[in-house]
Amino acid sequence: DAMVIQNPRYQVTQFGKPVTLSCSQTLNHNVMYWYQQKSSQAPKLLFHYYDKDFNNEADTPDNFQSRRPNTSFCFLDIRSPGLGDAAMYLCATSEDGGASDFSGANVLTFGAGSRLTVL
Amino acid sequence: GQNIDQPTEMTATEGAIVQINCTYQTSGFNGLFWYQQHAGEAPTFLSYNVLDGLEEKGRFSSFLSRSKGYSYLLLKELQMKDSASYLCAVRDSNYQLIWGAGTKLIIKP
Repeated sequence: DAMVIQNPRYQVTQFGKPVTLSCSQTLNHNVMYWYQQKSSQAPKLLFHYYDKDFNNEADTPDNFQSRRPNTSFCFLDIRSPGLGDAAMYLCATSEDGGASDFSGANVLTFGAGSRLTVL
Repeated sequence: GQNIDQPTEMTATEGAIVQINCTYQTSGFNGLFWYQQHAGEAPTFLSYNVLDGLEEKGRFSSFLSRSKGYSYLLLKELQMKDSASYLCAVRDSNYQLIWGAGTKLIIKP
C-alpha cells in the first residue's frame, strides 16, 4: 500500500542532544511537510518542500532544520532539543500544494507521527 | 490575523447525531478540510468543501457557507470508534493551511 512512514514512532532524547526524525513516502507526491503538534493544539507547520524547493515558516526556530535528499525521503533535524520541543512531529505529503481545484490533489496524507520526549 | 474557531470538546451518545461547528477568518479561501485524529495518531482526511452546500459521505457530511465563514461536520449513527478529535483546516489565498485546534468528541454508550 502506498503510504507515509515515519521513524522512529517514539524518540526519547536528553536536553540538547541532537535528534533526527525521518519520513518516507511511496505516493510520489511533490510536496512534503513537517508539522509540530502539542497536546490539544493545532498542528503547526514548520516547513515544507515543493519538490526540491524548501519553504521555511517565518516563526520556525533555527534549531529546526530539514533535508529532502530525494522525492521519497525527508528528514527533520532538531539540533539542540529543549523541553519545549517535546511534541508529536507529523510528516505529511500532498500531490500538489498550490492547486485550487476540486480534486484530491490538495489533500494531505499524514504519517503516523514521531512522538519526541525531552528529558 | 487568521483564525479558526471550533468548540474544544463535545459529548454525544452512541447512535445519535452530532454537529461540530467551525468558523474561520482567513486571508482568502481556497477550500476547507475536515480531518479525524484519534488520540496519539496522525490525522486522516474526512472531507473537503470548496463550494457552498453539503457534501455527504456515508455517515459523515460536511457543510460550507463561504459568505458566513462557517462550516460544520455532521456525524450520524455515532459509534464508539468515532471518539476522536476533529480538525477543521482552511486553505487561504496563499494556499497555506490554517488549522483549528480540533474538537474532542466523546461518545458515551
